[in-house]
Amino acid sequence: ETGVTQSPTHLIKTRGQQVTLRCSSQSGHNTVSWYQQALGQGPQFIFQYYREEENGRGNFPPRFSGLQFPNYSSELNVNALELDDSALYLCASSLGLAGGTEQFFGPGTRLTVL
Amino acid sequence: GENVEQHPSTLSVQEGDSAVIKCTYSDSASNYFPWYKQELGKGPQLIIDIRSNVGEKKDQRIAVTLNKTAKHFSLHITETQPEDSAVYFCAASPNAGNMLTFGGGTRLMVKP
Repeated sequence: ETGVTQSPTHLIKTRGQQVTLRCSSQSGHNTVSWYQQALGQGPQFIFQYYREEENGRGNFPPRFSGLQFPNYSSELNVNALELDDSALYLCASSLGLAGGTEQFFGPGTRLTVL
Repeated sequence: GENVEQHPSTLSVQEGDSAVIKCTYSDSASNYFPWYKQELGKGPQLIIDIRSNVGEKKDQRIAVTLNKTAKHFSLHITETQPEDSAVYFCAASPNAGNMLTFGGGTRLMVKP
């Protein structure tokens, strides 16, 4: 069984640029959630995808968007990067929604915005 | 929305001692309470969780207690070892598959 993987590991961008982060869910899981973790803080929920549809969104602006593919892998896109977007971006996969399984996290992508 | 408070922010114990981390939550609709361990440079790792129909759950040296009336839950680690040193996060959610609201984290240091 393969765990959750994310790419790239690290990324450096400049203000105003756009970035795409990728996540492969654990084998058999159909739900992917994305979280932003600023340094020294707990993860904050960005949004969740279930069977290719967005299912819930946290308090993040529309320049944060995502996709889920038929194989349940997912992308997080951030447009017009700001300095405050510098953080560790985590994805977590699970099976199902209400009554679903626990969420298992990947290692994260460290994004630095200069 | 849900708000999760976690205390203490740092905790230093001697190897072999017990460690207790406490969390409170605000939303009575929360029914699922996981605990994650995060080591430096890694993603959070689920170590134990509890659902609202259970008051206590134990897994070897780790136990979690839940008081739904008071809206608080705690993580207990007994016989701590240096490899327990990490940042621990509590979280709350209506269900396991829904969005998690995390506490601010506790940095646990176990001194040999």
